Amino acid sequence: GAVVSQHPSRVICKSGTSVKIECRSLDFQATTMFWYRQFPKQSLMLMATSNEGSKATYEQGVEKDKFLINHASLTLSTLTVTSAHPEDSSFYICSARGYDEPYEQYFGPGTRLTVT
Amino acid sequence: SQQGEEDPQALSIQEGENATMNCSYKTSINNLQWYRQNSGRGLVHLILIRSNEREKHSGRLRVTLDTSKKSSSLLITASRAADTASYFCATVPSGNTPLVFGKGTRLSVIA
Repeated sequence: GAVVSQHPSRVICKSGTSVKIECRSLDFQATTMFWYRQFPKQSLMLMATSNEGSKATYEQGVEKDKFLINHASLTLSTLTVTSAHPEDSSFYICSARGYDEPYEQYFGPGTRLTVT
Repeated sequence: SQQGEEDPQALSIQEGENATMNCSYKTSINNLQWYRQNSGRGLVHLILIRSNEREKHSGRLRVTLDTSKKSSSLLITASRAADTASYFCATVPSGNTPLVFGKGTRLSVIA
C-alpha cells in the first residue's frame, strides 16, 4: 500500500507557541489530504479536508484560525496549531487519498502533541 | 461527525477464541473499511468491503456487510494476544467523501 509519513512523531511545546506538523505522501500524489484528531480512548474525528492548491474545508466546530492547514503540493500538507493551549494536546493523524476508486485513504503514523 | 457505532465497546476473550465486533452506520455508503489501532499508534488498514459485496475474507479476518440493515461485522478467528488493539469501522458515505469513523471496539486477548 501507499506510504504516508508524518513529522514529528511527538512534540512537546509550551502554551502560547505554535507547532507545525507535516504530512507527506511518499510514493503517490495525493489530491486530497485529511486531518483527524484523536483524544485518548476515543475515535478519530475529522478536522478538515484539504485539496492541493485550494483552501481547506473545516468541519463544524474546528477553528480555522487556530488550526492552519496548507496543502501546497500533491505530496505535502501541513497543520499548524497556533497559540497552542493544553486542551490542544491530542494525537493528530493525517491521511492522504489518490485519484481513483475506491478512494482508499492512507494514514500517517500520527503526531502526539503535548502542550504544557 | 461520526457515522457509526461499534458494538461492543470493549471485548475481552481468551487466546484461541473468536472475536466478533459489530458496526452500524446511518447513511448509505460507497464502501466500509475496518482498521486496527494499537495503543498510541497509527492506524492499520485491515479490509475494505464495497457496498455491493456481502462478505470478504482476509487471513483470519471475515467481514460481512448488510446494507439493508446498515451494519457490518468483523470476525477474527483463533485470536492471538497480538490481536489486542482497538478496532474501528469507517465508512465512505459516497464517492470521494472522507472516511467517517465509528467509536471503536477495544479488544483484549488474554494469553
